[in-house]
Amino acid sequence: QQPVQSPQAVILREGEDAVINCSSSKALYSVHWYRQKHGEAPVFLMILLKGGEQKGHEKISASFNEKKQQSSLYLTASQLSYSGTYFCGTDEYSGAGSYQLTFGKGTKLSVIP
Amino acid sequence: DTEVTQTPKHLVMGMTNKKSLKCEQHMGHRAMYWYKQKAKKPPELMFVYSYEKLSINESVPSRFSPECPNSSLLNLHLHALQPEDSALYLCASSQDRIAARYFGAGTRLSVL
Repeated sequence: QQPVQSPQAVILREGEDAVINCSSSKALYSVHWYRQKHGEAPVFLMILLKGGEQKGHEKISASFNEKKQQSSLYLTASQLSYSGTYFCGTDEYSGAGSYQLTFGKGTKLSVIP
Repeated sequence: DTEVTQTPKHLVMGMTNKKSLKCEQHMGHRAMYWYKQKAKKPPELMFVYSYEKLSINESVPSRFSPECPNSSLLNLHLHALQPEDSALYLCASSQDRIAARYFGAGTRLSVL
């Protein structure tokens, strides 16, 4: 089942902060975050596993609330290079020891000078 | 080295052609994937190979045929495609089925 991302799009000025949310109606094993720039492949940012952990990657961090089946990506002091489409991907158990990663529809982030 | 290499970068083919997309990784990853991505949409899973065995086929039409010759290589054979199959085809690999996916740059396919 496809996770729901919000907002669909956001425009920031350099230095501003943003939060992107991802939620699922199914029990999750993990949440992935990827960024895709126009004309390029998705790039892995981070993965969060069950346990409600928070991870950081430069000025980008994320949290995972297992009980609420939600994850949030935090971008602080945004830079022009942060522009792109951010996808969350949720790992759901699909039976017989298999997990399937399904991507949300994406959040288009534009950082302007 | 976190590189996944895909060839060709661009491909234009007619509906009667047969072509193949290639993907290679040397990270020792045991899971490899084919995704299809349309403009402004997320990647959609087509095939998963885990330890060189096809483990998921997401109801993809038979005109797409995957092949995993060894743990480093993944091919996607294309035959009698339709114009709606035009898209970016992404290969990815991961250490196992629940680990981070590392994507190749993709093959942009146009079917005329």
